[in-house]
Amino acid sequence: DIVMTQSPDSLAVSLGERATINCKSSQTILYSNNKNYLAWYQQKSGQPPKLLIYWASTRESGVPDRFSGSGSGTDFTLTISSLQAEDVAVYYCQQYYTTPLTFGPGTKVDIK
Amino acid sequence: EVQLLESGGGLVQPGGSLRLSCAASGFTFSNYAMSWVRQAPGKGLEWVSTISGGRTSIFYAESVKGRFTISGDNSKNTVYLQMNNLRAEDTALYYCAKSAAGINTWFDPWGQGTLVTVSS
Repeated sequence: DIVMTQSPDSLAVSLGERATINCKSSQTILYSNNKNYLAWYQQKSGQPPKLLIYWASTRESGVPDRFSGSGSGTDFTLTISSLQAEDVAVYYCQQYYTTPLTFGPGTKVDIK
Repeated sequence: EVQLLESGGGLVQPGGSLRLSCAASGFTFSNYAMSWVRQAPGKGLEWVSTISGGRTSIFYAESVKGRFTISGDNSKNTVYLQMNNLRAEDTALYYCAKSAAGINTWFDPWGQGTLVTVSS
């Protein structure tokens, strides 16, 4: 199984500042089509997860452009360029390179 | 607008059974794989099972293999999760999610979830 890890477990960032979340896979999730099989989700309290990014860096329609994804192979990053109050949530990465489909443990983002 | 509505959760004793349903609307149901993902109270997300759009290819997490059965009825736009021999560790909020394309893909959107509690 591909194990996904995230760091940090939690972070607190001032409004308007940058938040950076890291995600690492235990093996490459870069396929021969040159696509990274990685998605990012946001889960606010009491709500289901919401897709933010797929193919590691493609923003889902309607997602604010302050959210961006980067990375390749085994190391990935979700960046919130200017944190807003509504961004308080837990963020998960997920690999879909192979079954079992696996998620990272989540990173909680709060306001400092 | 895509909508997913789960039902069937509840309190069940260890060793018991439940069948979850997920009614879908707003898209051509038979064109998409559907999945179940669960979240234990205060914990992270765990993929449980996926069924292909043709409802012929099926995948399970090892933790539920042999106990859970996913199925789908394209005439009713509904996917099911039959859960047998339930254990305390199966206690979770069970989400139904539409797979974007194929089996190996992301999930979008997710339903609101249905809570399964396994306890005596």
